[in-house]
Amino acid sequence: EVQLAESGGGLVQPGGSLRLSCAASGFTFSSYEMNWVRQAPGKGLEWVSYISTSGSTIYYADSVKGRFTISRDNAKNSLNLQMNSLRAEDTAFYYCARKGPLLTYSYFDYWGQGTLVTVSS
Amino acid sequence: EIVMTQSPATLSVSPGERATLSCRASQSISSNLAWYQQKPGQAPRLLIYGASTRATGIPARFSGSGSGTEFTLTISSLQSEDFAVYYCQQYNNWPPLTFGGGTKVEIK
Repeated sequence: EVQLAESGGGLVQPGGSLRLSCAASGFTFSSYEMNWVRQAPGKGLEWVSYISTSGSTIYYADSVKGRFTISRDNAKNSLNLQMNSLRAEDTAFYYCARKGPLLTYSYFDYWGQGTLVTVSS
Repeated sequence: EIVMTQSPATLSVSPGERATLSCRASQSISSNLAWYQQKPGQAPRLLIYGASTRATGIPARFSGSGSGTEFTLTISSLQSEDFAVYYCQQYNNWPPLTFGGGTKVEIK
């Protein structure tokens, strides 16, 4: 069974940093491209970042570019998101989401349960 | 950036009735569209990809149609467990991957 489990969320002050992790199991993690998607409380979904299987290709939403860094450790079946210079508008549930297996189809076939990041003084 | 617009924002439907949800793209996205269902306190779940292909384990009462800029998600006979928020997402031109604002299907 595919499982994605996020951790690392919490309360942080504006300008602070936080590192999220996503532990993957039940599939060959190194064969799948991965993403982070976030959702502000009571709002819609916003794609945040993408990483290829090897980590050689990375994309970010403009809203987080230059502040967030996605990475992965295929040996540890782990996806990470380093978040710096956090702002109030970054407050959201952050979901780890697996890209579907078809090469050119970039939908999300499995999601974690999410971890809440709250940026507030 | 491709903007996805969903309508209506809220749809009130009685159990057993048919629900029709719309999603419009700001430019053609071919059939590169997915639909997700999200219940309160849960992560989104993939329903449809390729505009019309049901994901594994999704009941046949869910169907997707459309191509280009206009798409529809139809739930043929609403069950109690179908009351939720539904999102569309395009993956034709990215980054960024973009979602619609969602349609909440509520009990009438």
